[in-house]
Amino acid sequence: GAGVSQSPRYKVAKRGQDVALRCDPISGHVSLFWYQQALGQGPEFLTYFQNEAQLDKSGLPSDRFFAERPEGSVSTLKIQRTQQEDSAVYLCASSSDNEQFFGPGTRLTVL
Amino acid sequence: QKEVEQNSGPLSVPEGAIASLNCTYSDRGSQSFFWYRQYSGKSPELIMSIYSNGDKEDGRFTAQLNKASQYVSLLIRDSQPSDSATYLCAVNMGSNYQLIWGAGTKLIIKP
Repeated sequence: GAGVSQSPRYKVAKRGQDVALRCDPISGHVSLFWYQQALGQGPEFLTYFQNEAQLDKSGLPSDRFFAERPEGSVSTLKIQRTQQEDSAVYLCASSSDNEQFFGPGTRLTVL
Repeated sequence: QKEVEQNSGPLSVPEGAIASLNCTYSDRGSQSFFWYRQYSGKSPELIMSIYSNGDKEDGRFTAQLNKASQYVSLLIRDSQPSDSATYLCAVNMGSNYQLIWGAGTKLIIKP
């Protein structure tokens, strides 16, 4: 049915706060990706799920970043003790084969 | 280092002309190639995928792939002001899921 959805669309956090970003993939899509996009750059890979299994988390910038997809559908990206350098747009994409479809993103601003 | 290179632009093209966007990639074994369009403040939108050498046409868009020279291009015929956006090239380099992204080319169609 609907495309990929993400919430919240905008998040302002004070430095040191924890945040949780949600992604609802396209129904039936096995693969789910999280990306970070800075202004004027292409998306940077963070992590990849196949169903509930996190097969690649090599792009997570630090151990403050954690992602889960416990039932193989909705995914949450959690950032603990946010820092100013975490300010970016966080994109979620889902895929059933080679083609990835993106949600609208969450713009995170850390003050 | 796996890389995808694009001219950042801006590329300015008059309305009605052909816009030509280029992308080179570092891994000769790459198999899947994608063009995404990203409007300012929005998320990337898949417009073309190409897997074999040669041309693939979809409406006003044509993707061209030359694996021997390691480049992929996107042609937009009869350019419209609504085509003004950043165009991102993404390449699957050997992995069965991870895309390597260029930084994008900003295209401006002048009425």
